[in-house]
Amino acid sequence: AQSVTQLGSHVSVSEGALVLLRCNYSSSVPPYLFWYVQYPNQGLQLLLKYTSAATLVKGINGFEAEFKKSETSFHLTKPSAHMSDAAEYFCAVSDQYGGSGNTGKLIFGQGTTLQVKP
Amino acid sequence: ETGVTQSPTHLIKTRGQQVTLRCSSQSGHNTVSWYQQALGQGPQFIFQYYREEENGRGNFPPRFSGLQFPNYSSELNVNALELDDSALYLCASSLAGSDTQYFGPGTRLTVL
Repeated sequence: AQSVTQLGSHVSVSEGALVLLRCNYSSSVPPYLFWYVQYPNQGLQLLLKYTSAATLVKGINGFEAEFKKSETSFHLTKPSAHMSDAAEYFCAVSDQYGGSGNTGKLIFGQGTTLQVKP
Repeated sequence: ETGVTQSPTHLIKTRGQQVTLRCSSQSGHNTVSWYQQALGQGPQFIFQYYREEENGRGNFPPRFSGLQFPNYSSELNVNALELDDSALYLCASSLAGSDTQYFGPGTRLTVL
């Protein structure tokens, strides 16, 4: 069975500082990995995804993530935090992909709340 | 291009009642997935619909049911509501076989 663990339910950084949100996954097959962001009272917005191409993935709003198979990790980073980055971030793994018309179900971590201090 | 829309935005029900939530897929998407997000938790997969049939189900009881219509829109029905059903219900659409799901804004259900 696949699973995702997000280390740290709350992360606080100063504006302009590096953002690092940690995600480790467990999967018996090559995973598809995603980072979503959720602003208060809104749905989920896709930040970036890893689908077995380049291991360093660039997403929207200056975020990027690196897939490390040896560490089973997919940590999210941004060089310089902005106040508008304050939100809930979810890492997710897909359990299957393609074939038979399926879009794999997403298995989410518990989420990390990012606080950005002025 | 129209994104995923959901209705209603908020809903308050009492225990034992039934509720129907609605979702319109993003244009061109033929697969719809539903997720339940309890407060402070990550979303949990309820089920997925493709070609008007259930195409995968998570660990939810049968009182959670769904429909998909020929225009790919979808409904989530929950019978015999329980207090623990209070959550944000998210709908996500995708193109069958693709790797990415696009989420709607959600319906906030409160069960009293």
